[in-house]
Amino acid sequence: DAGVIQSPRHEVTEMGQEVTLRCKPISGHDYLFWYRQTMMRGLELLIYFNNNVPIDDSGMPEDRFSAKMPNASFSTLKIQPSEPRDSAVYFCASTLAAVRHEKLFFGSGTQLSVL
Amino acid sequence: RKEVEQDPGPFNVPEGATVAFNCTYSNSASQSFFWYRQDCRKEPKLLMSVYSSGNEDGRFTAQLNRASQYISLLIRDSKLSDSATYLCVVNARNAGGTSYGKLTFGQGTILTVHP
Repeated sequence: DAGVIQSPRHEVTEMGQEVTLRCKPISGHDYLFWYRQTMMRGLELLIYFNNNVPIDDSGMPEDRFSAKMPNASFSTLKIQPSEPRDSAVYFCASTLAAVRHEKLFFGSGTQLSVL
Repeated sequence: RKEVEQDPGPFNVPEGATVAFNCTYSNSASQSFFWYRQDCRKEPKLLMSVYSSGNEDGRFTAQLNRASQYISLLIRDSKLSDSATYLCVVNARNAGGTSYGKLTFGQGTILTVHP
């Protein structure tokens, strides 16, 4: 099993540019989560999907952030326009609702630097 | 008040030592509890779930006190490879209780085990 796959691993961009982060969950998993991690705030849930439908996006910081899941095998997190304070590691995670203790499987993350 | 609070440490202990981490959570509706481990520049990974009766996995023991809303992790006979950040994680199911709510992560406790 390839696990959760995120791309790119690193992204360096200039303030004002659009950034798109990509995620491929583990095949068969029906929940997908986007988290952001910074030293100051730790791991914060941004949004999560169940069967491709957004369930809770209350963690999305601003309208500059948007996420989509057009099918069961792909999700994107977009920031437009990006700002330096968006610099963080963005993790995608997936799980299967039938798993008794809701074990999350994380991707390797995307390190985003906005200059 | 944060939903999940941990002592950030860092804890610096010699090999062979016993070390304990504590965590408190604010939402009394929380249903599931976990400890995740995160190595430097890596993604978080599930270490163990925490059951009401307490549970043990080798050198690791997790305890839950629902009345005090308190979770603990004890590591015996520490190894160099135990050096990592330990994240306390809590899940509060939604009102319907049928779908899996979002996991909330603590800030993490940094452990360094030295020779």
